[in-house]
Parts: sequence; C-alpha cells; structure tokens
Amino acid sequence: DIQMTQSPSSLSASLGDRVTITCRASQDIGNYLTWFQQKPGKSPRRMIYGATNLAAGVPSRFSGSRSGSDYSLTISSLESEDVADYHCLQSIQYPFTFGSGTKLEIK
Amino acid sequence: EVQLVESGGGLVQPGSSLKLSCVASGFTFSNYGMNWIRQAPKKGLEWIALIYYDSSNKYYADSVKGRFTISRDNSKNTLYLEMNSLRSEDTAMYYCVRVSDYWGQGVMVTVSS
Repeated sequence: DIQMTQSPSSLSASLGDRVTITCRASQDIGNYLTWFQQKPGKSPRRMIYGATNLAAGVPSRFSGSRSGSDYSLTISSLESEDVADYHCLQSIQYPFTFGSGTKLEIK
Repeated sequence: EVQLVESGGGLVQPGSSLKLSCVASGFTFSNYGMNWIRQAPKKGLEWIALIYYDSSNKYYADSVKGRFTISRDNSKNTLYLEMNSLRSEDTAMYYCVRVSDYWGQGVMVTVSS
C-alpha cells in the first residue's frame, strides 16, 4: 500500500501567516493527490485536486504544489475561518490512502 | 444541488450486521463512481470501498475485505454498504462520497456490547 506521511500533525499560526502542510508519498502517485478541509463536526470538503487544482468555491489563498514525492497545501494568508483539520488523499492505487491529518489552529 | 444522504447507522453488537444506504440527488448518479470513507472518533479518514459507475469493479480496504460489500442500484440512485461480522474497530462515522468531490453528512455506526 502507498503510505502518505503528513506533517505537521498540528500547527498553530497567527492570522495573516503563510501556512504550509505537506504530504510525502511512499511511491509515485503522479498528481493523484487531493486535499480536504474538515471543520469540527462537519464533513470534509475538497479543496485541491490533481495536486494543484483549486476546487470550485475555494478561496484563492489556498494553493497546492508538488515537488517530487512531496505535496503541499499552502494558505497564503491565514484567516480565522481556516481553522480546521486538513487531510491528503492519494487515489492512484487501491487501496486509496489518506495522510494522518493536520490540525490547524490560530495562535 | 448535489446531495448525498446516508442512513442505516446505529448501535450494534460485535459480530452483527448492518446495511448502510446513501441516496443521491442533484446529479446523474449512474455516471459516477462512488466511495465509502469512514472516520473513527477523533481519528483520521480511512477509505474503505469504491464501486464503479456501472458496478463493473469494486475495491476494498484490507481492513474490511471479506466482511463488507459495496453495491449500488442506479435505478434508485442509491449506494449501499453491507457490513458483516462487525468489530469494535468498525465504530466510526461513515461517509458516502462521489468520487472525491461531494460528501454526505455521514452516518454513525457504533459496535459495542
């Protein structure tokens, strides 16, 4: 199975900060990488698909990038509404696998 | 508007069975692959099963293979997850997910004696 190593597990940042969350894939997954945001008590929401594509309705301060086997989700300027858990998912090979998640909080 | 509405969850004893349903609306259900993804309390997300748009292929996580069965009825716009031999570690919120873009609100399954 493909392992997705997500870091950090938790992150505390100030409003307006640039925030980056990373997932490293244990095998080549191409661009089959999706990022989800999950607010407390809510279902996950797709934010980025195909590693770099912004999903519909997602604010432009969110972006996705890839460097080799490292995939990153970046928030260019943190807002209070971005407090959430973030998850990455690889979907190139069954079983699909998620990263362990990142809890983002405001400092 | 795309909607996915799960039902069928509840509290069951270890070793028992349960069948979840997910009714889809707002899109052509028969055109899309569908997933079940679960989340144990205070844990991360776990993909557990996928079914092709035409039921031609089904895939499972090792943790549920042989115990869970994904199916669909395109005439009823409904996705199913039949769960047998339930274990305490199957306790989770179960989400019905269209590809990766739309999620239902989830249904809770608790396995406990």
